[in-house]
Amino acid sequence: DSGVTQTPKHLITATGQRVTLRCSPRSGDLSVYWYQQSLDQGLQFLIQYYNGEERAKGNILERFSAQQFPDLHSELNLSSLELGDSALYFCASSGYPLNEQFFGPGTRLTVL
Amino acid sequence: AQKITQTQPGMFVQEKEAVTLDCTYDTSDQSYGLFWYKQPSSGEMIFLIYQGSYDEQNATEGRYSLNFQKARKSANLVISASQLGDSAMYFCAMREGSGYALNFGKGTSLLVTP
Repeated sequence: DSGVTQTPKHLITATGQRVTLRCSPRSGDLSVYWYQQSLDQGLQFLIQYYNGEERAKGNILERFSAQQFPDLHSELNLSSLELGDSALYFCASSGYPLNEQFFGPGTRLTVL
Repeated sequence: AQKITQTQPGMFVQEKEAVTLDCTYDTSDQSYGLFWYKQPSSGEMIFLIYQGSYDEQNATEGRYSLNFQKARKSANLVISASQLGDSAMYFCAMREGSGYALNFGKGTSLLVTP
């Protein structure tokens, strides 16, 4: 158990819908990262927050957004969902941003 | 351009044997970090080992060691005394410079046989 929690574990929805994925980092970790794992793209970095502020952005679509709240939990919002958004979405956290990242169990999103 | 290359899509090893999983990387930064993660069939990503570019010694964590050859830009994972529970996907990743994101390779699937 990495100490990072993600909810829900599984999510099935339809094209065009909007979903919210939630992540709670390890106790004391200020950095939260979001990654997407799909069969065709592999593991891709989406976005990073540090203590409530966006710190780095990767291959995140404009339809996707994220935020980190004062209690340090983070949410990833995915809107206007397409079939290709079906993937495993991971949240990871680290203490100091350059330290190793510990991953949550992931949210498996299926868009039908 | 691919930053992390894992050339072995699949590997087999017999229980109790050692196995090396290959990873080469591409960066022009002097400061970078290399990571290995394990992903069992259940899907979670488990951190195994870390090597900093300035670390002179190869990193070791229990049965895992990282064979770091800076001039060749390789960071191979060595698993000693393989166990059935080591069967999983293994990902090599790199963090460059002062960036925070991890760039992952495509992974190597390891199967440990009795």
